[in-house]
Amino acid sequence: QKEVEQNSGPLSVPEGAIASLNCTYSDRVSQSFFWYRQYSGKSPELIMSIYSNGDKEDGRFTAQLNKASQYVSLLIRDSQPSDSATYLCAVNKNNDMRFGAGTRLTVKP
Amino acid sequence: SAVISQKPSRDICQRGTSLTIQCQVDSQVTMMFWYRQQPGQSLTLIATANQGSEATYESGFVIDKFPISRPNLTFSTLTVSNMSPEDSSIYLCSVKKTMESGYTFGSGTRLTVV
Repeated sequence: QKEVEQNSGPLSVPEGAIASLNCTYSDRVSQSFFWYRQYSGKSPELIMSIYSNGDKEDGRFTAQLNKASQYVSLLIRDSQPSDSATYLCAVNKNNDMRFGAGTRLTVKP
Repeated sequence: SAVISQKPSRDICQRGTSLTIQCQVDSQVTMMFWYRQQPGQSLTLIATANQGSEATYESGFVIDKFPISRPNLTFSTLTVSNMSPEDSSIYLCSVKKTMESGYTFGSGTRLTVV
């Protein structure tokens, strides 16, 4: 079992729709969770972090964490073509950050 | 978050040669990380570089192949030694200022070995 698992996609949504990205992790004592966006040919950039169960909202982005289910998700509301990228889920325990393989999102105009 | 200058941005190298990648951070950081990202893949941690001590390598990566220097709290280098085409990849350095800020990445070095 991979430490951090994501559907590779591609996930395609129409402009203005909600994009839902999911991630599961294997280590129950993981402490903090991150979502990174990576445009093609660019390095990853942090868009959301979450540490406790529940939802965390930042603009059009909402991160959701359920530690009992070892599940973290990212919702992107009002998706824009500029959101088209690969989204990486990352899980941290004791300064050991592990990344998922990423989900490729395409937002179609 | 920290700003990282990484260079070179890309290079094409002959097999058997070595390439040194540099990362300069605009502020002092305790931990620097070196990752590899192969085409269509996620990030694989090569090693953690701490100032004043030897780097800690992940399983599958060895110091002879990927020597790392960390002379101070703002700078690190990764050398890819005796390169083969299998080393063709993007190499990224990364730092962590605080856990809340997550990791910040350099712009990456796209290496092609021919």
